[in-house]
Amino acid sequence: GAGVSQSPSNKVTEKGKDVELRCDPISGHTALYWYRQSLGQGLEFLIYFQGNSAPDKSGLPSDRFSAERTGGSVSTLTIQRTQQEDSAVYLCASSLTFVGYGYTFGSGTRLTVV
Amino acid sequence: AQSVTQLDSQVPVFEEAPVELRCNYSSSVSVYLFWYVQYPNQGLQLLLKYLSGSTLVESINGFEAEFNKSQTSFHLRKPSVHISDTAEYFCAVSDRDSGNTPLVFGKGTRLSVIA
Repeated sequence: GAGVSQSPSNKVTEKGKDVELRCDPISGHTALYWYRQSLGQGLEFLIYFQGNSAPDKSGLPSDRFSAERTGGSVSTLTIQRTQQEDSAVYLCASSLTFVGYGYTFGSGTRLTVV
Repeated sequence: AQSVTQLDSQVPVFEEAPVELRCNYSSSVSVYLFWYVQYPNQGLQLLLKYLSGSTLVESINGFEAEFNKSQTSFHLRKPSVHISDTAEYFCAVSDRDSGNTPLVFGKGTRLSVIA
């Protein structure tokens, strides 16, 4: 596609439920990143996929968070047993292999845990 | 590990006035530097970047940033702002010699242009 597509754009869920957030990167981009944006906190790195390499999971805040990337394309971020502090905008970005090209971001998924 | 400090969380400025948004990063190793802009209710967009060469880089809409290695800074400037520049601006850094490590972002500066 022409850009990075994320779905859903908004998600309201009850505390304790599981949620799945989807990211469809730009075709041909080998790298895919998930960040979390909370009010006043900037962008917090969560996880990074590069080609067929093992993902860099160093930013995941707890074991309730996981992500996968199927076929080197679409990625799903899963949050299990959601908590109110998980409420944030979850941003996906993709890029070519070289970080110097910069990232293309999706519009994000706004997650609200009630 | 790198960290990025954006010294001002909010900057109000009158239309047609100059503005500087400050950014400092933590390590003096070789780096790639970026500024991203997020307009209201939109995603982040790349504004400009420094990879190598000339320390002054420019964007297509009149912003410029200067890489200063000795001060580990990459401040963003515009000589005359417009209402349409109202947005949140994020500075980001990546270590050049650490492979393609994910960008580290600052907490953002909200620029409000007043008519």
